[in-house]
Amino acid sequence: DTAVSQTPKYLVTQMGNDKSIKCEQNLGHDTMYWYKQDSKKFLKIMFSYNNKELIINETVPNRFSPKSPDKAHLNLHINSLELGDSAVYFCASSPTGGSYNEQFFGPGTRLTVL
Amino acid sequence: AQSVTQLDSHVSVSEGTPVLLRCNYSSSYSPSLFWYVQHPNKGLQLLLKYTSAATLVKGINGFEAEFKKSETSFHLTKPSAHMSDAAEYFCVVSDKGSGTYKYIFGTGTRLKVLA
Repeated sequence: DTAVSQTPKYLVTQMGNDKSIKCEQNLGHDTMYWYKQDSKKFLKIMFSYNNKELIINETVPNRFSPKSPDKAHLNLHINSLELGDSAVYFCASSPTGGSYNEQFFGPGTRLTVL
Repeated sequence: AQSVTQLDSHVSVSEGTPVLLRCNYSSSYSPSLFWYVQHPNKGLQLLLKYTSAATLVKGINGFEAEFKKSETSFHLTKPSAHMSDAAEYFCVVSDKGSGTYKYIFGTGTRLKVLA
């Protein structure tokens, strides 16, 4: 009965490849997010969707494309992977995008680009 | 735009002694503030949140934080550290961007608990 799940947990790939990370939440939340955590543990938001609509799109290379087939899923596709994309990617969800709403985080996907 | 500053990147305490992790915020209006914990190779878990109700907020695992507007601080405390508290702690402010709210994370404080 995992609340926010991500697959895969680990992803090792070569530069130039295309890869996807999947996220699913079973909490009935309307809003989902993708975050990137770099090697220094700094966390920054990348994208947010509310009911399948993109509401936050930070300054992220357009090689990154989120897709939300329904409000329980938010996938992240990355084209032409680069060394600098190596990081831990976290998916999260919240009931709405309100200021006081807690976000629930997935376990993370560690991406290593060789 | 709002921001948070975590004043210590590393804190070491002995087991059984008090914990203090410091966080200062910058905000043009009444903020929503959160503390999250990340254990090694794990996701983030909410410890507590401040949403303008009580200024002293109690969280899980014996942690609490006090919102002090005059000092723009939201420090995290625990009376007695346990070995299992060793982790990375993040102070977070919820910032309203272009019509919606997003989390702004501090740079994190790594807590080490010595036996």
